[in-house]
Amino acid sequence: AQSVTQPDIHITVSEGASLELRCNYSYGATPYLFWYVQSPGQGLQLLLKYFSGDTLVQGIKGFEAEFKRSQSSFNLRKPSVHWSDAAEYFCAVDLRDDKIIFGKGTRLHILP
Amino acid sequence: KAGVTQTPRYLIKTRGQQVTLSCSPISGHRSVSWYQQTPGQGLQFLFEYFSETQRNKGNFPGRFSGRQFSNSRSEMNVSTLELGDSALYLCASSDVSYNEQFFGPGTRLTVL
Repeated sequence: AQSVTQPDIHITVSEGASLELRCNYSYGATPYLFWYVQSPGQGLQLLLKYFSGDTLVQGIKGFEAEFKRSQSSFNLRKPSVHWSDAAEYFCAVDLRDDKIIFGKGTRLHILP
Repeated sequence: KAGVTQTPRYLIKTRGQQVTLSCSPISGHRSVSWYQQTPGQGLQFLFEYFSETQRNKGNFPGRFSGRQFSNSRSEMNVSTLELGDSALYLCASSDVSYNEQFFGPGTRLTVL
């Protein structure tokens, strides 16, 4: 069955440190891939997306993600986190059949 | 453009009652999807409507239903509420391409 795995439920990093959030998917073909961020009490905001082409995609707020077909991964990165990045991050996969599957999310904590 | 709006933002109901949630998509968007978000299950797809037709449905019981009007506004109804229906219900809209979804702030439903 198709699935999206975010192996880290919680991640804590110091302000100014680099960040990598992991996402793996299980799907026969290459799906459309997304990263969303959710601040407390808010809906989801799209950070970036991958449909095709260059496997390194740039998003908003200084985030980027790299699609690796061989590893079925789409990890999210940021070179230097800010306290305002504390939120929950969701990886999502569009299976191109009008259905989107979300990972369970990774909650990011920032140490001052 | 105004974003996706959801009403009401908060709702408290008792078991056995029914509830109707409303979602107004971004102007011009014809696709509306509904998701249930709970701490245990994460984000789960409920259904998607496009031009007043249900195009896809997740694995939820028949107590969960929806509809879409000619102006693309959508409603979601849950009948015979159960305690486990307590969740954040998110609505997302997208244009014809469907691939990128814009989320509303959600409706927090509490069932007592």
